[in-house]
Amino acid sequence: GAVVSQHPSWVICKSGTSVKIECRSLDFQATTMFWYRQFPKQSLMLMATSNEGSKATYEQGVEKDKFLINHASLTLSTLTVTSAHPEDSSFYICSVTAPGYNEKLFFGSGTQLSVL
Amino acid sequence: GEDVEQSLFLSVREGDSSVINCTYTDSSSTYLYWYKQEPGAGLQLLTYIFSNMDMKQDQRLTVLLNKKDKHLSLRIADTQTGDSAIYFCAETLNQGGKLIFGQGTELSVKP
Repeated sequence: GAVVSQHPSWVICKSGTSVKIECRSLDFQATTMFWYRQFPKQSLMLMATSNEGSKATYEQGVEKDKFLINHASLTLSTLTVTSAHPEDSSFYICSVTAPGYNEKLFFGSGTQLSVL
Repeated sequence: GEDVEQSLFLSVREGDSSVINCTYTDSSSTYLYWYKQEPGAGLQLLTYIFSNMDMKQDQRLTVLLNKKDKHLSLRIADTQTGDSAIYFCAETLNQGGKLIFGQGTELSVKP
């Protein structure tokens, strides 16, 4: 199966700082990447869809100025949480579709963000 | 609208079969998935089924789909302690598109 690498695995930051999370497809070109957020004991909620070379499409209720997504290459998408606050503390997971695996989504290992 | 429902907890003894159930509302679903999540980890795709299929078997896993009742189930045969995790069902309306997840079922396997 396709391999997706997400970094960092966990991060602790002070309120007001920005945090960047990277999502890489290691052995294939990913034209579309998805960013999800998961609160404890809850399901995954799609935040945005990221297409290489174009602006991300955000889900309703997700602030695009707060959650900056950059998909500059076919193997890398980044999510930057700007001016993080404690309520942004969550588990963030990326996923990608892979050529030849159109019916599947492959997920990164996730990033646990804790904002103090 | 789109909605996916699961029971929150299931407890079984090692060696028994586990059945995790899921219902969904959107009859336009094309693919339905089962993912496994261990604590602090990402999601691992276990299996998926196309909406025109009734059943799919893959080693210890059996997926049953009742499209009329919009009901999906995952049966794990000979459940092991390593199967303890949260299991999510999910649906998608198109290939490689947005996934709608259920709340997840926490499976606890007791020795």
